[in-house]
Amino acid sequence: EIVLTQSPATLSLSPGERATLSCRASQSVSSFLAWYQQKPGQAPRLLIYDTSNRATGIPARFSGSGSGTDFTLTISGLEPEDFAVYYCQHRSDWPITFGQGTRLEIK
Amino acid sequence: DVQLLESGGGLLQPGGSLRLSCAASGFIFSNYGMSWVRQAPGKGLEWVSTISYSGGTTYYADSMKGRFTLSRDNSKNTLYLQMNSLRAEDTAVYYCAKDISDSRTRDAFDIWGQGTMVTVSA
Repeated sequence: EIVLTQSPATLSLSPGERATLSCRASQSVSSFLAWYQQKPGQAPRLLIYDTSNRATGIPARFSGSGSGTDFTLTISGLEPEDFAVYYCQHRSDWPITFGQGTRLEIK
Repeated sequence: DVQLLESGGGLLQPGGSLRLSCAASGFIFSNYGMSWVRQAPGKGLEWVSTISYSGGTTYYADSMKGRFTLSRDNSKNTLYLQMNSLRAEDTAVYYCAKDISDSRTRDAFDIWGQGTMVTVSA
């Protein structure tokens, strides 16, 4: 099983700042990594798939990069609605796994 | 509007059984693989199971193998998850989710339902 480790566990930033979230895989997942945003009481929302492709309707301030085992989600210019929990997920092999999440909170 | 609507959750005792349903609309259901993902209270996301577009192939997380059965009825645009021998640790919100692509075995999930709560407790 591929283990995804996200860091930091919690990130405290102010609106307008840049957020950098990390996801590290225990073995290569090639480019098969996605990012989701989840707000309290809501279902997850797909942001990025296959490392760097934004899903439909996702603002350009969200971007993804990386390959192999190290991946980054960057949110440039945080908006108030961006404060949420973020998960990474791989589709490289079975079982599909998710990271444990990074909570992005308002400083 | 593309939509997934889960139903069937509830409260039951350990060892019990439950069938969850997920009704799809707004897209060609029979073209896409579908999955269930669960989230225990206050915890992260856990992949449960995936079924191919045709229903011919299913995949399960190890802890669900032999207890859960995923199926679909493409004529009714509906996904089902039969859960047997339920345990307290199966307590979670269960989400159904659609593959983003119609051509891949494993995928990211672009559409999610609102979730249905399953509580297993004596």
